[in-house]
Amino acid sequence: DGGITQSPKYLFRKEGQNVTLSCEQNLNHDAMYWYRQDPGQGLRLIYYSQIVNDFQKGDIAEGYSVSREKKESFPLTVTSAQKNPTAFYLCASMASGTRSYNEQFFGPGTRLTVL
Amino acid sequence: AQRVTQPEKLLSVFKGAPVELKCNYSYSGSPELFWYVQYSRQRLQLLLRHISRESIKGFTADLNKGETSFHLKKPFAQEEDSAMYYCALRTGANNLFFGTGTRLTVIP
Repeated sequence: DGGITQSPKYLFRKEGQNVTLSCEQNLNHDAMYWYRQDPGQGLRLIYYSQIVNDFQKGDIAEGYSVSREKKESFPLTVTSAQKNPTAFYLCASMASGTRSYNEQFFGPGTRLTVL
Repeated sequence: AQRVTQPEKLLSVFKGAPVELKCNYSYSGSPELFWYVQYSRQRLQLLLRHISRESIKGFTADLNKGETSFHLKKPFAQEEDSAMYYCALRTGANNLFFGTGTRLTVIP
């Protein structure tokens, strides 16, 4: 199914390397989000973007960077400064407008493993 | 600061038994609460939003501002309800703050 796609599904990297996770959406949503999902910790917000060319830090932004050059795309870079990068990463998007009825739509996720 | 607490990491019930997944929140603003569900090998998806006061797949959830709770309930659990359930709070920045999740297993 389409909507939001994330690639790759699995990603391996060596310590000290930066890696970029892709997130694309064709829902014409203004807002996009990156979460990290760890067992027993739920989802934690890394970065979010409410509009093109603008983004804000979430609760656990250290060691991560993002860009939002196009409405459809919100790539996440996991840098070597991230102390514990092995995790499952989820991207989401949401329409702007009437807030109360907006829901976030999630991608299938990328599992990153640092070797 | 906001907080969403789901006290049970794991919950097992027998098929046909009632199920209640607990969620408590702490938020200084006017709360908007949601339940999201993640079935095995599927994406995380919205199950319920409190403002709609709807029943989805037999589940209901009532926002109790006095007890700061938004518990998810279903009178008769089915095997297909087995999944990971997350309670989430929308904050003023239009972001979602998630609880740690409860894994529900319905035993046949």
